[in-house]
Amino acid sequence: GENVEQHPSTLSVQEGDSAVIKCTYSDSASNYFPWYKQELGKGPQLIIDIRSNVGEKKDQRIAVTLNKTAKHFSLHITETQPEDSAVYFCAAKGSASKIIFGSGTRLSIRP
Amino acid sequence: GAVVSQHPSRVICKSGTSVKIECRSLDFQATTMFWYRQFPKQSLMLMATSNEGSKATYEQGVEKDKFLINHASLTLSTLTVTSAHPEDSSFYICSARTQDYYGYTFGSGTRLTVV
Repeated sequence: GENVEQHPSTLSVQEGDSAVIKCTYSDSASNYFPWYKQELGKGPQLIIDIRSNVGEKKDQRIAVTLNKTAKHFSLHITETQPEDSAVYFCAAKGSASKIIFGSGTRLSIRP
Repeated sequence: GAVVSQHPSRVICKSGTSVKIECRSLDFQATTMFWYRQFPKQSLMLMATSNEGSKATYEQGVEKDKFLINHASLTLSTLTVTSAHPEDSSFYICSARTQDYYGYTFGSGTRLTVV
């Protein structure tokens, strides 16, 4: 089955700087890669996603890149703000149509 | 956009009792729903996949007789934790797949505490 690895587990950046979170996946048939933001006590919220036929996608301060050959994808957040502090999860949808999550990254933005 | 409503948001029950959690798709028909469990400071672990009108498919290591899943309609799936024990205390989250093949919407989660 699909296995998704994510790093780093914690990340602290100065407000205004960029944050990068990286993930790798194992199932070469995976074709959909969403990123979720989870705040304490809440369900995960989709912030951006990318399909396997695209190499990069951007939405304002958030961008995701995908390297299918290497089976890794990354989340980039620019001009970070205090409200970006949360836990971020990458995920992959494999051939079984199940969303499998990475282990999560706790992002802290220092004022 | 697609909305998934999950209830209750918090529940406390006594050890040995059963608890039912509901997951509803409010503005779309969800042919497939997923149930996840999340322990503190850990990731979401898929428990089972339920398709409307058929038996749920459980992930390895998940006891199907303990975690009963019913997906009787295109807008409702329920998870019943039977004979709950303190180790079942966790954050349970449902997800529903929209008609867009790539769309997955998550509920707000249920914090279960077994005392």
